[in-house]
Amino acid sequence: DVKVTQSSRYLVKRTGEKVFLECVQDMDHENMFWYRQDPGLGLRLIYFSYDVKMKEKGDIPEGYSVSREKKERFSLILESASTNQTSMYLCASGGSDQPQHFGDGTRLSIL
Amino acid sequence: AQSVTQLGSHVSVSEGALVLLRCNYSSSVPPYLFWYVQYPNQGLQLLLKYTSAATLVKGINGFEAEFKKSETSFHLTKPSAHMSDAAEYFCAVRGGGYNKLIFGAGTRLAVHP
Repeated sequence: DVKVTQSSRYLVKRTGEKVFLECVQDMDHENMFWYRQDPGLGLRLIYFSYDVKMKEKGDIPEGYSVSREKKERFSLILESASTNQTSMYLCASGGSDQPQHFGDGTRLSIL
Repeated sequence: AQSVTQLGSHVSVSEGALVLLRCNYSSSVPPYLFWYVQYPNQGLQLLLKYTSAATLVKGINGFEAEFKKSETSFHLTKPSAHMSDAAEYFCAVRGGGYNKLIFGAGTRLAVHP
């Protein structure tokens, strides 16, 4: 079974802080994705990566950056957290022609 | 560009009743379509996928979906709802390369005794 592990289930941070969300997958997938999930809006793609050190912006990249130094790990960074970034964040991974597999999510609150 | 519309943000059924969750898609190429389920405080779990083989796709937990090209639909059904089916369901279409997915807004299914 594919395992996608997100480092925290719940996280509380303050505005202006730099926040790191970590994601690790164990299936050697090329592609990894970060989404945010908000009620009524479904999942929106923030960033994705198709290889080590390679990244592409998704639909809502503003205020975020990512890092992929190793194939199994994909980090989402909030450079200066703001209250409108309070959300559920979901990481996913997938190989070529394979469905995406998701982690359990990180519920992030910015105070 | 691909897009997905899920009709009905909330659906409520009685235990044992038919479940029907609606999904319509827009795609300029033959679509790859997916249904995912999200239980409370969990990530998304793949229910089933359509990849241009059989138009009727069977998934886990007794769910199935039928691809209808003429109606651009991929509705999810289950003959008899169970209390454990209460969750949020997302329809998605693959698009934009790198196996990216475009998701609908989701449908929350409630099951009443």
